[in-house]
Amino acid sequence: EAQVTQNPRYLITVTGKKLTVTCSQNMNHEYMSWYRQDPGLGLRQIYYSMNVEVTDKGDVPEGYKVSRKEKRNFPLILESPSPNQTSLYFCASSFRGLSEKLFFGSGTQLSVL
Amino acid sequence: GEDVEQSLFLSVREGDSSVINCTYTDSSSTYLYWYKQEPGAGLQLLTYIFSNMDMKQDQRLTVLLNKKDKHLSLRIADTQTGDSAIYFCAEISGSGNTGKLIFGQGTTLQVKP
Repeated sequence: EAQVTQNPRYLITVTGKKLTVTCSQNMNHEYMSWYRQDPGLGLRQIYYSMNVEVTDKGDVPEGYKVSRKEKRNFPLILESPSPNQTSLYFCASSFRGLSEKLFFGSGTQLSVL
Repeated sequence: GEDVEQSLFLSVREGDSSVINCTYTDSSSTYLYWYKQEPGAGLQLLTYIFSNMDMKQDQRLTVLLNKKDKHLSLRIADTQTGDSAIYFCAEISGSGNTGKLIFGQGTTLQVKP
């Protein structure tokens, strides 16, 4: 089944403790992206990647890192999480880019205490 | 900068039509999208419209685009309880596939039996 898989689904952590949210897609998609969803703000793009080893900042990249060493994986790294990064995070992918259908993961609810 | 605005909440009775409205600012947008988010799930692409179209119909869904007023609407005919969800409109801002996907805040549709 074609899908975008995020893990974990829920995560509670403390300020400053490094964490990684994984994202994997099995559709051989070139484009992958991370969004955060906050009440009243919709979805905001954090980082995106057009292909392996090609990443770029979205609207709200501060405090986040990404890597794209393999086509299928696009992990989101929070080196030193802070409470303002408490949010619902979504990974998405498409075959080539934004003009094509985006497939979303089920989301990761992160709480930073 | 680019902005996409939606009303936050809409309540309708089962069987009525629902109309969800959206305004956007980037007149160069080539694609405009409607995504649906059911509780606890990621976003799913519902429909989209090219900027050179005025209307697109897909079963119970009708998308209307007024480029002059930068206004997009989604009409759901014969609304069912299963249509209860958050609906996001989105536009591609910037050039080609490297542009950003800008989401509205989302409209929560409540369908009463």
